[in-house]
Amino acid sequence: AQSVSQHNHHVILSEAASLELGCNYSYGGTVNLFWYVQYPGQHLQLLLKYFSGDPLVKGIKGFEAEFIKSKFSFNLRKPSVQWSDTAEYFCAVKGPGYSTLTFGKGTMLLVSP
Amino acid sequence: GAGVSQSPSNKVTEKGKDVELRCDPISGHTALYWYRQSLGQGLEFLIYFQGNSAPDKSGLPSDRFSAERTGGSVSTLTIQRTQQEDSAVYLCASSFRAGREETQYFGPGTRLLVL
Repeated sequence: AQSVSQHNHHVILSEAASLELGCNYSYGGTVNLFWYVQYPGQHLQLLLKYFSGDPLVKGIKGFEAEFIKSKFSFNLRKPSVQWSDTAEYFCAVKGPGYSTLTFGKGTMLLVSP
Repeated sequence: GAGVSQSPSNKVTEKGKDVELRCDPISGHTALYWYRQSLGQGLEFLIYFQGNSAPDKSGLPSDRFSAERTGGSVSTLTIQRTQQEDSAVYLCASSFRAGREETQYFGPGTRLLVL
């Protein structure tokens, strides 16, 4: 079975700090990888996705993620966070043999102004 | 265009009662998914529909849970004889077509509280 691990459950940063959220998955074959974000009171939104090609993926709002196949990782990064980035972030993976997404448990990011 | 919509937004029910949750997918999307989001548990897959194929029910936690999708569009998730542990946010997602390089879009969810 595929599984997804997000290393940090809670992260607290000051504005302008750099962000890196870890995500590792267990599936060994070809995967599709996603980061979703859930802002307070809002529904899940797609932040970025990786299907194939360039392993460095750029998403909305200045976020990017790097797929490192050898490490089974898909870490999310942002060079300088803003207060408005306060949200919960979910990593998700889908392997070709699976009909659905498997999500990590999420990382709650709090950015203080 | 309109996104995935769900109703009701919130539902409070008493233990033992049945509830129905509704999902309207994005127009033209053939795949529809139900997930459950419990506090501290992340998102848990429940059931998935692709076109007219038989649904994948592998994520349903018990036989009290069922879902149907009428006309390949609207879906209803039914929980019979609700228990307190059913309290969660139930999310619906849809995609153009299930399979390789598929992106799922989520609705706002229904927050269910079982007293």
